[in-house]
Amino acid sequence: QVQLVQSGAEVKKPGASVKVSCKASGYTFTSYYMHWVRQAPGQGLEWMGIINPSGGSTSYAQKFQGRVTMTRDTSTSTVYMELSSLRSEDTAVYYCARGIRFSHYMDVWGKGTTVTVSS
Amino acid sequence: EIVLTQSPATLSLSPGERATLSCRASQSVSSYLAWYQQKPGQAPRLLIYDASNRATGIPARFSGSGSGTDFTLTISSLEPEDFAVYYCQQRSNFLFTFGPGTKVDIK
Repeated sequence: QVQLVQSGAEVKKPGASVKVSCKASGYTFTSYYMHWVRQAPGQGLEWMGIINPSGGSTSYAQKFQGRVTMTRDTSTSTVYMELSSLRSEDTAVYYCARGIRFSHYMDVWGKGTTVTVSS
Repeated sequence: EIVLTQSPATLSLSPGERATLSCRASQSVSSYLAWYQQKPGQAPRLLIYDASNRATGIPARFSGSGSGTDFTLTISSLEPEDFAVYYCQQRSNFLFTFGPGTKVDIK
């Protein structure tokens, strides 16, 4: 079955970077785009960006431009999201979510990775 | 950036009642709008895409309508498992945004 398995929880200090992974299985990895969405405690969903696993092209939300990098490794069917210059406001659950072919709505989600930024 | 607003923020209803949730876009998104359901501690679930198409496995009591800037999610008769937060989301030129959500809770 289609599955997205994310890496474990992280605790980081302000100013550091974090890299979260999302390993896909059960489908052709390069045929579906992948989103990253985050959710701060008690808050709503915030779209961060999208990557095309086939060619590696990306599109980022303006808010994260310059601070986020999304990459992929086709040999392991894994996408990565790296966020730099962390601040306390980046404390959130980070989700990867597969985009439906062509429309890119998010049909399969990972369970989320909790990132805590604290001194 | 296209901004989505949702109303009401909270909807208090009883099981069996009809729920009507609204989503408004700051500019036209054509029919490129989806609805997601999220329960506490869980990832969101896709309910409706392209404004009115139910995703795989979604019960018929969920329906979506609208186009342009005004959209509606209707739950015809609330089941106990439907009490959750609902988000709308638009896609435009490979930029996506979510609305702030509507919480449907038990009256």
